[in-house]
Amino acid sequence: DAKTTQPTSMDCAEGRAANLPCNHSTISGNEYVYWYRQIHSQGPQYIIHGLKNNETNEMASLIITEDRKSSTLILPHATLRDTAVYYCIGPLLPQGGSEKLVFGKGTKLTVNP
Amino acid sequence: DSGVTQTPKHLITATGQRVTLRCSPRSGDLSVYWYQQSLDQGLQFLIQYYNGEERAKGNILERFSAQQFPDLHSELNLSSLELGDSALYFCASSVSGGLAKNIQYFGAGTRLSVL
Repeated sequence: DAKTTQPTSMDCAEGRAANLPCNHSTISGNEYVYWYRQIHSQGPQYIIHGLKNNETNEMASLIITEDRKSSTLILPHATLRDTAVYYCIGPLLPQGGSEKLVFGKGTKLTVNP
Repeated sequence: DSGVTQTPKHLITATGQRVTLRCSPRSGDLSVYWYQQSLDQGLQFLIQYYNGEERAKGNILERFSAQQFPDLHSELNLSSLELGDSALYFCASSVSGGLAKNIQYFGAGTRLSVL
């Protein structure tokens, strides 16, 4: 399974942008990168995904480097409710047709008042 | 609300017992996935079903089994329970199987405590 590398933890002030980096150097050309988050033992929540272009939705923005070896998830105005573990998930490998998600340890983001 | 429903929310049982966890996927989703989250292992993929057929197996013990019914709901059966089976069990669903772009939506989970 492809591996991603994320910092263990980060802090952010409420109202400021939170920038969460991820290294996915083994990604290949047609493979997507996904971001999920998990708020304190709740079910993981899908945030955003991307292939090669930058993406934005109502939750976040995703910036992917030109070589596609790393990406940054941006929460433009972090709130206390954004405190969670954020998972950057490498390509879904359709081995035998499965699109299982391979979760690493993620980044524990703490938004401080 | 993800649209994925899991029951029960909490389950407390004793070692050696058998339990069944239930998952109703989002309307229209054909794939169902089961994941286990324990304190020391993180989120681990157990098994995937697509339109009633088993699609892939992960780190699922032989004491565990699952199935997906014609109405697409799924059940995860855990038998001969051990203390180490205590964990959060999540179900996720997605529209398709077999594509590289596939968003999975997770339920709220079932917290299993084996005493």
